[in-house]
Amino acid sequence: QVQLVESGGGVVQPGRSLRLSCAASGFTFSDYAVHWVRQAPGKGLEWVSVISYDGSHKLYTDSVRGRFTVSRDNSENTLHLQMNSLRPEDTAVYYCAKDLRGVAVAASYIDYWGQGTLVAVSS
Amino acid sequence: SYELTQSPSVSVSPGQTANINCSGDKLGDKYVCWYQQKPGQSPVVVIYQDRKRPSGIPERFSGSNSGNTATLTISATQALDEADYYCQAWDISTVIFGGGTKLTVL
Repeated sequence: QVQLVESGGGVVQPGRSLRLSCAASGFTFSDYAVHWVRQAPGKGLEWVSVISYDGSHKLYTDSVRGRFTVSRDNSENTLHLQMNSLRPEDTAVYYCAKDLRGVAVAASYIDYWGQGTLVAVSS
Repeated sequence: SYELTQSPSVSVSPGQTANINCSGDKLGDKYVCWYQQKPGQSPVVVIYQDRKRPSGIPERFSGSNSGNTATLTISATQALDEADYYCQAWDISTVIFGGGTKLTVL
């Protein structure tokens, strides 16, 4: 069955960096786009980024563009999120989430989610 | 920037119909998905492309989208439907989530 397992979360000081990873299994990882979605404690869902099946197309929400970088290693079935210049408002559970399609479009949707990894930005 | 607005909470009695609304400028021109999230769990899609149900989602879940409002309708609501519900759409090259609606079945 489809599994998405996030790792790399933890407590980090403002201004520092953190790299999240997502290990995928149970499907052909290289065929599908993958998203990062976050959820601050007690708050709603916020989309962060998406990367196309081959890594050629990447999109970001305005608040992280220029600070976060999404990448993927299809040979290792792994997704990454490099987070630089972290801010307290980046504190959230970060979910790795598989798209139905190879390129995420309006007609598509997220069909599988990981369990998330918690990132806490605090001094 | 584009926004999707949801009421924070909706209450319904078991067996009754729950309507959860999501509003946005010309939302009817966009595709809307709905996700259900129960406490301590990851979200699950219940409606995509405004009104389609993924396999495994009960028929009591339905959706519509017109004008500035999308609606998730849950018929014959059950206690297990109690959850947070989020609408989602695309605006240009960004995925937007609504703020979420907590559905209470009492």
